[in-house]
Order: sequence, then C-alpha cells, then structure tokens
Amino acid sequence: NAGVTQTPKFQVLKTGQSMTLQCAQDMNHEYMSWYRQDPGMGLRLIHYSVGAGITDQGEVPNGYNVSRSTTEDFPLRLLSAAPSQTSVYFCASIKTGGGSYEQYFGPGTRLTVT
Amino acid sequence: DAKTTQPPSMDCAEGRAANLPCNHSTISGNEYVYWYRQIHSQGPQYIIHGLKNNETNEMASLIITEDRKSSTLILPHATLRDTAVYYCIVRATSGTYKYIFGTGTRLKVLA
Repeated sequence: NAGVTQTPKFQVLKTGQSMTLQCAQDMNHEYMSWYRQDPGMGLRLIHYSVGAGITDQGEVPNGYNVSRSTTEDFPLRLLSAAPSQTSVYFCASIKTGGGSYEQYFGPGTRLTVT
Repeated sequence: DAKTTQPPSMDCAEGRAANLPCNHSTISGNEYVYWYRQIHSQGPQYIIHGLKNNETNEMASLIITEDRKSSTLILPHATLRDTAVYYCIVRATSGTYKYIFGTGTRLKVLA
C-alpha cells in the first residue's frame, strides 16, 4: 500500500511553460485535493474532486486545471507557469465516513518558476 | 468554517507531555476539530479529530471543552521526532468541502 504518490519531486520551469504534476492513490478514496504551500505559510486549496469526473475549485484555482478520469489519479496542470506559482504542491487523498474527512498527503512537488 | 487561533510557537522538554491549545470560539454544532502536523517540509500528517467527546489514539489525545470553543492536543511523551508544525482545523460534517489551514503552532521538542 503506497498511499499517495506524487511525481516529480522537484521541477524547474521557465515562465510560460506548461506542465502536469502527477498524483496517484491506492486507497480507493473518492475524494482528492491539491494544495500549494508558500514559504512560512499554511496550505491553500487549489482544486478538489469528489469522484471520477467531478472536480471543483478551491481558494486559489487560477492558473491551474485538473481532471479526474479515474479514482486513482488526480493530475494538476499548470497552463502557463508564472514565478508566483513557485511553491510546494501537495496532493491529498481523503478518507470519508460518518461526516469526517481525514486527509492523507503525498510527499509534495517542489516547483520553481524562473 | 470556523476560524482557529493557535500560538505561533511552543517548546517542550523531551519525555514530557506537550499540550497544544487551539481556540475555535465560533465553532458550529456540526463542525469537527481536526489536528494535523507537518514535519520539516513533508506532507501534513493526520493526527486525530473529534466532535464533542475527548478522543485518544496511538499518537495523541484530543480534549475538547464542554462548550467546544477550544481544544487541546496532547502528545503524552514528546520525543525529538515530534518537532513539527501542528495545525488545528475545524470543518463542517457536510456541505462544501474545504479545509482552512492556518499557520499552526511550531512545536520544538528540546533534548
């Protein structure tokens, strides 16, 4: 049971480039989410999904796209990278039940945009 | 979702109990209290959650006051590996799905 995996671990992009951050989970959770964490800050929700084919925006969705074609995978796409998107990106898979939501986070992708 | 207030930092001696407070005075009746921690730059780790009653698991205990306006996370025997940022979050049991992570409490366990 690998939990939540993210690739790549590190990435450097030039302004204007696009790329996809990968996230996969093997816990059969319906809910998944993407966060970004800037230095010294808490996590901010970018997008989330409540099941295959269903996604919605979080607090800071601009500049990012998501899709959810399978339960296991929830990729995050940066459309045209900007220096303001330099951050650490965390994907989470969410265990639900009885009204509670326990999030299980991946190790993160450290992105630098120059 | 209710806002939470936590002290920015705390120290604790190794082997002693670490008591981390959280104020959530605007919490609603259907909101759970969750605790996560983030060690160095790793992904946050779920610790525990509760609604009304005190809860305990293998990692920690959660004490929620009777009026639910505050809570305390207790690490019974802190070790150096418990040095981390601890986040207290409240969210509704239903409705819009959103967690609001604040800046948390930076706990330093001292040898």
